[in-house]
Amino acid sequence: GAVVSQHPSWVICKSGTSVKIECRSLDFQATTMFWYRQFPKQSLMLMATSNEGSKATYEQGVEKDKFLINHASLTLSTLTVTSAHPEDSSFYICSAPQSRGHEQFFGPGTRLTVL
Amino acid sequence: GNSVTQMEGPVTLSEEAFLTINCTYTATGYPSLFWYVQYPGEGLQLLLKATKADDKGSNKGFEATYRKETTSFHLEKGSVQVSDSAVYFCALMNSGGYQKVTFGIGTKLQVIP
Repeated sequence: GAVVSQHPSWVICKSGTSVKIECRSLDFQATTMFWYRQFPKQSLMLMATSNEGSKATYEQGVEKDKFLINHASLTLSTLTVTSAHPEDSSFYICSAPQSRGHEQFFGPGTRLTVL
Repeated sequence: GNSVTQMEGPVTLSEEAFLTINCTYTATGYPSLFWYVQYPGEGLQLLLKATKADDKGSNKGFEATYRKETTSFHLEKGSVQVSDSAVYFCALMNSGGYQKVTFGIGTKLQVIP
């Protein structure tokens, strides 16, 4: 099946710094990608929909100025957590559908720890 | 809006026991239904899926049948192994276009020898 990668797989940063997480579709093009967040022992919550060549669509309650999304190419979307704080520590997972209406393929996730 | 309800765990079973994890959903139209599995420290892997009513998804001994009349997609396995210990997520996705996935809360399964 299709492969979605994420980089880095884990990151530890100091409070106040910014962290960029990359999501790549390795063997297919994805005009749309999704970013999810998972807190310990909880389900995945959709944060935003990343659209190639246009602005991301954020879910209610997600701060767009804090979680910057850039979908610069058909195979790459980035999530930047700006001025990170300990409460931003979480597991971030991206996904991409191989084509319109097709099932989604998930990346392996990035664990962010903010000290 | 869409929602997925699944039993909260943890579920603890002995090896070779029968597994059922219940899942019901609320959605508009005719969604596709999925079960994903997450092993400790890893991302999500698609376990099985069903795209229309009465379809049965199966993989690695796991099965689930899309029941439109009861809006359910219960996961079953006849004989679990220790290696099946993981968190299982029921999910749905509306058809058409690029749709987000709505997840249930996840059920942790622990299989003991």
